[in-house]
Amino acid sequence: DAGVIQSPRHEVTEMGQEVTLRCKPISGHNSLFWYRQTMMRGLELLIYFNNNVPIDDSGMPEDRFSAKMPNASFSTLKIQPSEPRDSAVYFCASSSFDPNTEAFFGQGTRLTVV
Amino acid sequence: AQSVTQLGSHVSVSEGALVLLRCNYSSSVPPYLFWYVQYPNQGLQLLLKYTSAATLVKGINGFEAEFKKSETSFHLTKPSAHMSDAAEYFCAVTPPFAGGTSYGKLTFGQGTILTVHP
Repeated sequence: DAGVIQSPRHEVTEMGQEVTLRCKPISGHNSLFWYRQTMMRGLELLIYFNNNVPIDDSGMPEDRFSAKMPNASFSTLKIQPSEPRDSAVYFCASSSFDPNTEAFFGQGTRLTVV
Repeated sequence: AQSVTQLGSHVSVSEGALVLLRCNYSSSVPPYLFWYVQYPNQGLQLLLKYTSAATLVKGINGFEAEFKKSETSFHLTKPSAHMSDAAEYFCAVTPPFAGGTSYGKLTFGQGTILTVHP
């Protein structure tokens, strides 16, 4: 398996623009997580899905952020409009319901909003 | 609510020396605990996990950690550091719910950057 695949790896955009980050989880995994990593706040969970259904979005910072999972193999995190303080590395992770496994992380998308 | 505190944002050791990275947790019930490693410009990779079985857990790359309930600690150790161990290490906690989703709903510590000198 290729692991969790995120795209793009790097994104530079201007303030006010819409940004869409993409994630393909590991095939067969039931849960998908979006995390954000910043120097100030470290790694924080934004939202997660079970079987494509959003379960907990309490970590989403503002209404400018939205996430979807239209099917088991694809998820998006959208920021509209983007602001400089959204600059961070965004990670997607997936896991199964097997208690003997763990969450696998993608390589992240480094977002810079100028 | 659960939380994790990693003591020391930077740790520096010589190659061949003992590595000790400290992690203390706060939880109303014994949680599941994890150590992840992050190499520059990479995602997070699991080193090891404690899920209420043996309190001494062995992971990849020669790392191990011991769960000590009385001290609410889960420190990461490696007997002999290697240059390739230089990375950032994260301790994470999750509630011990049944089902795999808990293993991804993680609360992370602030991370410890490990530097290994030749």
